[in-house]
Parts: sequence; structure tokens; C-alpha cells
Amino acid sequence: EVQLLQSGGGLLQPGGSLRLSCAASGFTFSSYALNWVRQAPGKGLEWVSTISGDLSRKDYAASVKGRFTISRDNSKNAVYLQMNSLGAEDTAIYYCVKSSGWYAFDYWGQGTLVTVSS
Amino acid sequence: QSALTQPPSASGSPGQSVTISCTGTSSDVGGYNYVSWYQQLPGKAPRLMIYAVTQRPSGVPDRFSGSKSGNTASLTVSGLQAEDEADYYCTSYAGSNNFVLFGGGTKLTVL
Repeated sequence: EVQLLQSGGGLLQPGGSLRLSCAASGFTFSSYALNWVRQAPGKGLEWVSTISGDLSRKDYAASVKGRFTISRDNSKNAVYLQMNSLGAEDTAIYYCVKSSGWYAFDYWGQGTLVTVSS
Repeated sequence: QSALTQPPSASGSPGQSVTISCTGTSSDVGGYNYVSWYQQLPGKAPRLMIYAVTQRPSGVPDRFSGSKSGNTASLTVSGLQAEDEADYYCTSYAGSNNFVLFGGGTKLTVL
């Protein structure tokens, strides 16, 4: 059974930094791209970032480029999102998501809430 | 780049069919056969319902179907059931610069 277990959310002040973690199991981790998708309270879904299985490619939404960094450790079956220079607009539930191929997202973590507020 | 355009709401009675549209451009929906649809129940993570425009993952009822014409993709839910009431989102690959775009979401109400 595929599982994506997230950790690392919380409340922090504007300008702060936070690292989200996602531990994966139930599939050949290094064979699949992993993603972060977020959802602001009461709003729609927004793709944030993707990292390829072999770490050769990383993509970011324009809204987070230069502030967020995606990484993964294939020896630990884990993916991370380092978030810097956080602002109120980054307040959202962040989901760790597995790619299925065809640029689709087939398994989602439970989500972790990040709140940026003074 | 702007999100894909979906109607904010849709509705139908039990047993009826409803279609939700997702409009993009030739740089995303129209340019690739990489449209997906997701169902999100209140307080839950989204669930993949359709990928590659028309393909259903294992476990998704065949009442859900997808299609595309030009720059507009559609999700059709046939034989509506109360449990289908949820928010539905489309996505499309949008090339190496924008990667994946989401639609704004459609709230489906079963009357």
C-alpha cells in the first residue's frame, strides 16, 4: 500500500523558514517524481514543485521560485520542501504527492498546515 | 500563467448526468493529452479520478469519464449519486516553463 506521511507544518512569522518532510513507502521510490501541491484556506489547489526520481530535474511555480527548494533522499524514501522568506500568501495546507506518469498525481499525503502570521 | 477555467458550480439530481468543463489554451489543455481530474471531499486530500484525458485509475467507477475537444476538457459524471457531491479540479501539463496548471475547481451539488 502506497503511503505518504508528512510532517513539519506549523505557525511561523512572516519572513521565516520551514522545512516540510514526507516519508514514502509502498512503491519503488526512486522511479517516480514527487510533488508538493498546496491549498490556501477555502481556496483551490496550486501546484508548487516537482522533483524527478533521479533528481535531475526540479520545477517550481513562479509564486515560489527562488524561495522554495525541493529535494529528496532516495536512500531514505523521503522528499522535502525547504521554504524561505515566507509570507501570508504561503499560508496553506501542503500536500506531498506522488506522480503516476502522464503528469498526474495518484497518491496524496494527509496534508500539513503551514500558517504564516504575525 | 493563469489557472485553467472551470465553472464554480454544477448540479444535478440523482441518476442524472453532469458535465464539468475545463478550458485552457493551446499551450496546455489543447497542446497535450495530459489532462487529469481530481475529486476532493470536504476535509480530505484529493483523489485522482481521470488521467491522460480519458483513463480511469483502478477503483474509480465507470460513471466517471473524461474527454477533450480543442482547448477544453470535460469530466462527465453519469448516474449521479449523493456520494459524488464534492469539489472537482482539472489539471493539465503546460510545458517545461509552467509544468502543471490547476483549474479553479467546481463544486458539484447533488440535488
